[in-house]
Amino acid sequence: KAGVTQTPRYLIKTRGQQVTLSCSPISGHRSVSWYQQTPGQGLQFLFEYFSETQRNKGNFPGRFSGRQFSNSRSEMNVSTLELGDSALYLCASSPRTGVGNYGYTFGSGTRLTVV
Amino acid sequence: GESVGLHLPTLSVQEGDNSIINCAYSNSASDYFIWYKQESGKGPQFIIDIRSNMDKRQGQRVTVLLNKTVKHLSLQIAATQPGDSAVYFCAERGRSNDYKLSFGAGTTVTVRA
Repeated sequence: KAGVTQTPRYLIKTRGQQVTLSCSPISGHRSVSWYQQTPGQGLQFLFEYFSETQRNKGNFPGRFSGRQFSNSRSEMNVSTLELGDSALYLCASSPRTGVGNYGYTFGSGTRLTVV
Repeated sequence: GESVGLHLPTLSVQEGDNSIINCAYSNSASDYFIWYKQESGKGPQFIIDIRSNMDKRQGQRVTVLLNKTVKHLSLQIAATQPGDSAVYFCAERGRSNDYKLSFGAGTTVTVRA
C-alpha cells in the first residue's frame, strides 16, 4: 500500500512569505502529526490532527498552523517566514491516536529553505 | 521534565561486527518506545518498538532492550552491514505528554568496510 506522501519535496521561500505543506497519510490512517527537524534541535513536535481536530500542539509560535480534511489529508502553514524556519518538515501518519496508537509512519519530508 | 537522549552522537563500526546504540530517558511513566533509522534525504523509518511491560524484543538482526530501573533503552544490530549506516533515533511516549512521540538527538552510525 502507498506510504505517507509529502509535497513538495523541496521549497525555497523568502523571509516574510508564507508557505503551505501537504501530507497525505496512509489510507485508513486518521492521525497526522507534524515534526520539524533541524540539526540543532532534532525532531520537534509541531501538532497532531485526528478526525479533522487538532489534538495536540507543541511549543511553536502561532505562525505555525495546520488543518486536516475529511479524507485525513493534512496541511501545515507557516506565515511570515523567518530564516530559522529552514528545516525538514516531517509528517507522521498513524491509524489511531492517544494510548491506543502504536503505529507511526513517516513521510520523506519537505525541505524548506528560507532565504 | 521529560527528555529522551542518546549517549553518543556518533558510532563507527566495522562491517560484520555488532552495534549497540544507547538511549537514556527521564520519564518513568513512558509506556512505549520506538527506534527509527533515518538515511540521508529520507524520513525516519521504523525499526522496532517495545512496550513498557517488556524488557526485550527481537526483530530481524535487531534487538531492543529496555531497562526501566535505570531508564535505559538500547538497540543492538547484529552483523552490521554498510546499509546500516544512518542516523538512529529513539522515541518515547506516555500519558504525561499526552502520547506524543518525543525524540532523542540521534546517533550517527558509520559502518567501515
